[in-house]
Amino acid sequence: QSVVTQPPSVSGAPGQRVSISCTGSSSNIGAGYDVHWYLQLPGTAPKLLIYSTNNRPSGVPDRFSGSKSGTSASLAISGLQAEDEAEYYCQSFDSSLGVSVFGSGTKVTVL
Amino acid sequence: QLQLQESGPGLVKTSETLSLTCSVSGGSVSSSNSYWGWVRQPPGKGLEWVGSIYYSGTTFYSPSLKSRITISIDTPKNQFSLKLTSVTAADTAVYFCARLGDDYVWGSWFDYWGQGTLVTVSS
Repeated sequence: QSVVTQPPSVSGAPGQRVSISCTGSSSNIGAGYDVHWYLQLPGTAPKLLIYSTNNRPSGVPDRFSGSKSGTSASLAISGLQAEDEAEYYCQSFDSSLGVSVFGSGTKVTVL
Repeated sequence: QLQLQESGPGLVKTSETLSLTCSVSGGSVSSSNSYWGWVRQPPGKGLEWVGSIYYSGTTFYSPSLKSRITISIDTPKNQFSLKLTSVTAADTAVYFCARLGDDYVWGSWFDYWGQGTLVTVSS
């Protein structure tokens, strides 16, 4: 199992705001390592959504935002749209394991 | 626009060697300070970092795979490759190649990804 945990699922109605948590420890997020977020549609490669906690690559809507506090990080999606239905992963670095680690993944469902 | 494409056998026998190549277009694997890597995803499961390579050839491997893995870079062909020896069913996964988005390896993000290739290990 991953050392960085996410809720298995979150859901919301179109237009609502949802948040996905990414909980780590003092050897990864809590140690100050960057957190990144990806969206993955079934059968496709992950797509970078947020890098270094709260930066959006070109082309990513500002409906997506990231934050970090202590040993956790969060991805917020505002104005939820049907196309946001996907699996979301956070990523950081764990100094104890010496590896880049991905969160366990969260399935976002648009009701 | 940078593009990455994985290639290699989709079926590997247990105990044999998995070999994959990532072909890069729209950019160069020898770009200064660039890092490239492999990430895998077992069917229905999450993402796992496998290893990365610096443009100069310096490698960084997941400790859990370090004894079995080799990542290399072929500058003339603009490719980098993954070899994983002594595979078992636990190595069955979709393997993605990707570029790291910054000039450091530990904890950098992956900004460009290949489409992924499913490798099944079976006897």
